[in-house]
Amino acid sequence: GAGVSQSPSNKVTEKGKDVELRCDPISGHTALYWYRQSLGQGLEFLIYFQGNSAPDKSGLPSDRFSAERTGGSVSTLTIQRTQQEDSAVYLCASSLAGQGLEAFFGQGTRLTVV
Amino acid sequence: GENVEQHPSTLSVQEGDSAVIKCTYSDSASNYFPWYKQELGKRPQLIIDIRSNVGEKKDQRIAVTLNKTAKHFSLHITETQPEDSAVYFCAARGASGTYKYIFGTGTRLKVLA
Repeated sequence: GAGVSQSPSNKVTEKGKDVELRCDPISGHTALYWYRQSLGQGLEFLIYFQGNSAPDKSGLPSDRFSAERTGGSVSTLTIQRTQQEDSAVYLCASSLAGQGLEAFFGQGTRLTVV
Repeated sequence: GENVEQHPSTLSVQEGDSAVIKCTYSDSASNYFPWYKQELGKRPQLIIDIRSNVGEKKDQRIAVTLNKTAKHFSLHITETQPEDSAVYFCAARGASGTYKYIFGTGTRLKVLA
């Protein structure tokens, strides 16, 4: 595709339910990132995938959060047993590997836990 | 772990004046420093970047400076315009061998007409 695509764009879920957020990166981009942006806040790093290497999961806030990337392309971020504090915009970005290359962001998924 | 601090959190300037946003990073191995602009309700977009082998880079009204010794880098916007109003994020790419970006907490810039 022309850019990073995320779905859904908005998601409202009940507390305690599981949600899956999808990211379709730019074709050929081997690096994929997930960030969380709470209202009016910065970009909190969650997880990073690079090619076939083990992902860097150091930013995941709890074991309720997990992510996978199938076939080196599409990624899914899963949040189990959602809590109200999980409400935020979840942004995905992708880039080519290598030094000094721009990371392109998707439009984000706005998650609201009620 | 890696950390990027950004100041100020909010900045108001009169149209035509200059704006400066400063960041410091903790990982001395960081070698790429992009700046992103995020308009309300939109995705962050790259406006300028600098690599560690360069001290300054300019693109029209926007410039970025880097002091590797002090681990500081700054964004300078001259002749500000109302459309420059947005949230600006600095970032540092993580330690050697990984391309993880750590972002600052953002600066909300308001340009007053």
